[in-house]
Amino acid sequence: DADVTQTPRNRITKTGKRIMLECSQTKGHDRMYWYRQDPGLGLQLIYYSFDVKDINKGEISDGYSVSRQAQAKFSLSLESAIPNQTALYFCATPARVAGGMADTQYFGPGTRLTVL
Amino acid sequence: AQSVTQLGSHVSVSEGALVLLRCNYSSSVPPYLFWYVQYPNQGLQLLLKYTTGATLVKGINGFEAEFKKSETSFHLTKPSAHMSDAAEYFCAVDNQAGTALIFGKGTTLSVSS
Repeated sequence: DADVTQTPRNRITKTGKRIMLECSQTKGHDRMYWYRQDPGLGLQLIYYSFDVKDINKGEISDGYSVSRQAQAKFSLSLESAIPNQTALYFCATPARVAGGMADTQYFGPGTRLTVL
Repeated sequence: AQSVTQLGSHVSVSEGALVLLRCNYSSSVPPYLFWYVQYPNQGLQLLLKYTTGATLVKGINGFEAEFKKSETSFHLTKPSAHMSDAAEYFCAVDNQAGTALIFGKGTTLSVSS
């Protein structure tokens, strides 16, 4: 079984609709992340969570919200989707080395979201 | 602030040729550096990483990278390209706060026969 799973894998929706993307991990890590990937722009961090009670905004959090339901689950919501939120969304969970540095991120397979 | 620049959004090589994907970083302190690969319709997978110690790092699938502090570079190489190496490659650096990785914009590698 995959370490990080995402549902749905593909979603087409309309402008103004509320959308939730879900992520689960079996790595037992405390931290979970949501990234957005656009062609030619690489990955941009939307939100990250250090544990269930610790949620932080990333560089592009406007228009998004998150919920950490449990250590293993981290959901991303688009309250009112707009076309420029059409992108590939990745969930990830990182290992952490001594000293608190960020280390290897384990990525889910991604959710391709299209907003019409 | 930390940043990563990948030179060349698209690199094309012939099968059997040397692969060289360039990455330069900006960091005020010794960085942790990573290369990830993304195959079509898949998530990112770690190729290799540099944290401390030996500056020449070997990864999976025959790839390696050398950390050069004087050049602020971490270029990815493979002596002989395979068709299966065709993918998008991302260089990343730790943001020094221990909170996240900063990714470059990616380089798409095409391999022709």
